[in-house]
Amino acid sequence: QVQLQESGPGLVKPSETLSLTCTVSGGSISSYYWSWIRQPAGKGLEWIGRIYTSGSTNYNPSLKSRVTMSVDTSKNQFSLKLSSVTAADTAVYYCARGSMGGSYHYWGQGTLVTVSS
Amino acid sequence: NFMLTQPHSVSESPGKTVTISCTRSSGSIASNYVQWYQQRPGSAPTTVIYEDNQRPSGVPDRFSGSIDSSSNSASLTISGLKTEDEADYYCQSYDSSNHEVFGGGTKLTVL
Repeated sequence: QVQLQESGPGLVKPSETLSLTCTVSGGSISSYYWSWIRQPAGKGLEWIGRIYTSGSTNYNPSLKSRVTMSVDTSKNQFSLKLSSVTAADTAVYYCARGSMGGSYHYWGQGTLVTVSS
Repeated sequence: NFMLTQPHSVSESPGKTVTISCTRSSGSIASNYVQWYQQRPGSAPTTVIYEDNQRPSGVPDRFSGSIDSSSNSASLTISGLKTEDEADYYCQSYDSSNHEVFGGGTKLTVL
């Protein structure tokens, strides 16, 4: 069974860079794409972006200037960096595996990142 | 970028049928698959419908999905409502640039 697990600091200071890693177990990271999705408390889901194992990326246009994603196939991991964070970036961050039709059948449990000094 | 608009909330009684709509603001709803996710409090979303009308294994056939090009919208229909169906439901799709969008979510109350 494929499992995804987010890891990273739960607290980030304003103007700094948020960094998260998603570790994939129970299956290869190849042959799919991998996404980050976030959800502020009490609000809806927001797609941040996706990365293919080739390294090709697609980012949400509203976040594109601040987002960088990378993938390490040797470790079965992919990562998110979000720069110049503000309180508006406080959210639960999910990693997920995407499939050809655009659906996400596998999600991490989510990790809360709070932006505060 | 396009938007997906859902009703903020719907409510219905156990045993009844409810339909949640998801209207695409620009671009054809039929051009890219639509997915539906169920999210219970404190949990990650789970897929209930993918590729417009496909059900993952383990999702009961009470859940069905469809698209309507005339209204440029997708719909999630849940029949024989159970109290366990009470949750938030999100539609999701993408565009030709592989930019994805989630609807704002619909809170389903089964009372």
